[in-house]
Amino acid sequence: DAKTTQPTSMDCAEGRAANLPCNHSTISGNEYVYWYRQIHSQGPQYIIHGLKNNETNEMASLIITEDRKSSTLILPHATLRDTAVYYCIVRVRLNAGNNRKLIWGLGTSLAVNP
Amino acid sequence: GAGVSQSPRYKVAKRGQDVALRCDPISGHVSLFWYQQALGQGPEFLTYFQNEAQLDKSGLPSDRFFAERPEGSVSTLKIQRTQQEDSAVYLCASSLLTRLAGVKDTQYFGPGTRLTVL
Repeated sequence: DAKTTQPTSMDCAEGRAANLPCNHSTISGNEYVYWYRQIHSQGPQYIIHGLKNNETNEMASLIITEDRKSSTLILPHATLRDTAVYYCIVRVRLNAGNNRKLIWGLGTSLAVNP
Repeated sequence: GAGVSQSPRYKVAKRGQDVALRCDPISGHVSLFWYQQALGQGPEFLTYFQNEAQLDKSGLPSDRFFAERPEGSVSTLKIQRTQQEDSAVYLCASSLLTRLAGVKDTQYFGPGTRLTVL
C-alpha cells in the first residue's frame, strides 16, 4: 500500500518555480522520502531524497516539515523538459537483507507550459 | 559508465507463452530490484537480489513469476504461461549497497520492458 498522497496533476509556467507537495503522514522515523520522475516511456529518474533535513542538489530542493508528515519538491526554474510524472516515495526495509524497497504512489503529472 | 539496460524494450506474447526479460545492472552494483508498473500506476516491488542471493520475493504475484541472478550480475525475470493481466512495464533497478546502505543507497532504473500479452 502506498504511503504517500500527491495531487493528480499540476501546471507550471516555464521559468517559474514548480512546487510539488506530498503527504506521508504514516512515515516511520527511519524511513526516507525519495523523489523520482518519469518522462513518458522512460524509466524513473532519481531526483533527491531526505530524512528530516532540507536537501538541495543540482536538480531540485526538498523541504520536509518538522513533523515529517509532508514534504515539497521544488524545481526552481521549470523548463519544458521537466514535464513528467513526479513520484514521492517512502523507502521501507525489505523482509531480509540490508536494503530497502521503494513504495510508490500514483505521482503528480506536471505539465510545464511555454 | 553505462546505466542499467534492459532487453527487449518491447515484447508481445500470446497468452500462455513463456517470456524472459533481461536486466544488465550498473557494473559493480550489488543490489538488483525488479518492479512491475501497470498502465497509469506507480511501480510495484517484485523481488530483490543481493549479489546472486534472492533475499526478498514477496512481491511476485504468482508462482508463474521467477527471477534469477546466477552470477551476481545479469538478472532474468521469467514469466511462465503469460496471462493478459501480466501486461505491464517491467523495470529493473540496481544500487551500490554501501556500508551505509539505508543512507546513500540510491536505486537507478533501466528503461523497462513493455510486455503486452494478447
